Amino acid sequence: EAQVTQNPRYLITVTGKKLTVTCSQNMNHEYMSWYRQDPGLGLRQIYYSMNVEVTDKGDVPEGYKVSRKEKRNFPLILESPSPNQTSLYFCASSLGGRTIAVGKLFFGSGTQLSVL
Amino acid sequence: AQSVTQPDIHITVSEGASLELRCNYSYGATPYLFWYVQSPGQGLQLLLKYFSGDTLVQGIKGFEAEFKRSQSSFNLRKPSVHWSDAAEYFCAVGALGGKLIFGQGTELSVKP
Repeated sequence: EAQVTQNPRYLITVTGKKLTVTCSQNMNHEYMSWYRQDPGLGLRQIYYSMNVEVTDKGDVPEGYKVSRKEKRNFPLILESPSPNQTSLYFCASSLGGRTIAVGKLFFGSGTQLSVL
Repeated sequence: AQSVTQPDIHITVSEGASLELRCNYSYGATPYLFWYVQSPGQGLQLLLKYFSGDTLVQGIKGFEAEFKRSQSSFNLRKPSVHWSDAAEYFCAVGALGGKLIFGQGTELSVKP
């Protein structure tokens, strides 16, 4: 089954404790992206990757890191989480290439992160 | 700068009634426009997209949207709403370089 898998689904942590949220897709997609969803703000793009070893900042990259060493995986790293990073996070992927293909995103089920 | 505005935060309609969700965008070039739906506890699912051609596009689940360049709008419509349509709906515009900009979302409630 074609899917984007995020783990964990729920995560509670404390300020300053490094964490990684994993994301994997099995569709051989070139494009992957991370979003955070906050009430009243919709989805905001954190980072995206057009292909292996190619990553770019989205609208809210501060406090986050990503890497794209393999096509299927795109982990999101919070080196020193803070309470303002409490949010619902989504990983997504698409074929990539032209913008229209980028827009046909497949989403994971989300990771609810709470930073105390 | 590119932006997307969904003026209605929350809409309630009766089951069987028609629905229109508003979306206005700001983008300098020809926009690529999308509507996504998010059911509770789920990720987003693509409903429909527009990038050229016929300005009335059909999507899944009986939804359609009309692109109006003069009004910078891409409103989502459905002739008869079902209780299962209750969800949050997001409009998005595709920008250069792989960015996809989402609106704030409109939450739809359906009354029996």
